[in-house]
This record gives sequence, structure tokens and C-alpha cells, in this order.
Amino acid sequence: DTGVSQNPRHKITKRGQNVTFRCDPISEHNRLYWYRQTLGQGPEFLTYFQNEAQLEKSRLLSDRFSAERPKGSFSTLEIQRTEQGDSAMYLCASPGTGIHSGANVLTFGAGSRLTVL
Amino acid sequence: AQSVSQHNHHVILSEAASLELGCNYSYGGTVNLFWYVQYPGQHLQLLLKYFSGDPLVKGIKGFEAEFIKSKFSFNLRKPSVQWSDTAEYFCAVKEGFQKLVFGTGTRLLVSP
Repeated sequence: DTGVSQNPRHKITKRGQNVTFRCDPISEHNRLYWYRQTLGQGPEFLTYFQNEAQLEKSRLLSDRFSAERPKGSFSTLEIQRTEQGDSAMYLCASPGTGIHSGANVLTFGAGSRLTVL
Repeated sequence: AQSVSQHNHHVILSEAASLELGCNYSYGGTVNLFWYVQYPGQHLQLLLKYFSGDPLVKGIKGFEAEFIKSKFSFNLRKPSVQWSDTAEYFCAVKEGFQKLVFGTGTRLLVSP
């Protein structure tokens, strides 16, 4: 258990459907990050929140993607009208704790794997 | 923008062999560097990090990495690998204030 909880762990959907992923970060941190990892690639930054404010969005985040963090706690990532190219692992991260504490060290969740048929 | 190159995509070693995985980042200045590991079926975990100071950084499970500023490199090493080191290894550099830029990863297979 990393302290960053993501669900669902797996989602299979048909092209054109909408999907939503949820992330519950380590509670004492106000920053939350979303990354995407496709097969054979390293994680790629998507977006980042400080409390409820979305402060940076990657160009990878097309108009079909929207992320929210109401009340600065959990976050959701919604993909509308999914395409096969959206198939990936969606990772949530927050600053680490303990020996890994510090703004520059991220603790990742187990991820939500999306398969678009 | 920063980029990270990991030159070895797949590495196969026998147990007890020495390991060195290459990592180069694209431009200098003050850098924060990381190696993360992903064991089969598990989440990304931090192996070690470099922020400043001694360029030879020791991490968990006997791993170490050396920061060489003149070469823009942060290679990961382990003197003697074990079967349990089979995993994918990612090098990353912090860009700007908040995000990490990852390399494409190196998949290590250690045969018993």
C-alpha cells in the first residue's frame, strides 16, 4: 500500500464511452499529480493540482480529458468519447512521506489501467 | 524542456552479475534526479534520489547511482544482482517546479 489509492484498478470500455478514474492521495499533502504510462514508455505528466486549483496541464491532455479536485482532497480524471489511443495506465501521485518526504519526491499509486476496445 | 534517455531497453543478466544502467538528461544547471523501480505487478517505487552534495548516491536494496555533471549522466549500478531485481527501472529528472520527466525505462531480467 503506497498511501495513494486509485480506483478502479482496471477498466475495459468500448470506444466512444466515457470513463472516470478516482485518486485518493496521501492526506496531509496538498499537491496531487496525474501521469499516463503507455506500453514501453515511462510515465508522462498530465496535470497537477495544488489543493483544488489545477495549476498545470500537459499538451497531452486533450479537450476530452478533464480533471477535478473538489475541496482539495480526492481527484477525478474523466475521459470523454474514449479512443483506442487512450489505452494506458493512469497514475496518480502525491509528495512522499517518511524517508521520502519532500516536495520533490513523488509517491505513486498502483494506477488505473484503461483498455479501450 | 528536459528529456531523459535510457539507452538500454532490455537487459538480461545472470544472478551475481554486475549491473549498470545508463541515464542521460538533456540540459544542466541544478538538477534533481531519481531512479524509480517497478516490480512485476507492482507500483512505481523510489530507489534513490540526488538533489545535491555527494554525487555518489546510495539507495535501497544495494543500488547506487553516480551523478556526473559534465556528462549529464546519472547511471544506476549494483555490484551483484539477484533474481528479485527483475523489474523495470526508470530514470527521471525534475523539470521546473513540480513535475518529473521520465525516461522510457529499462526492463531487467535476472536469470537464476
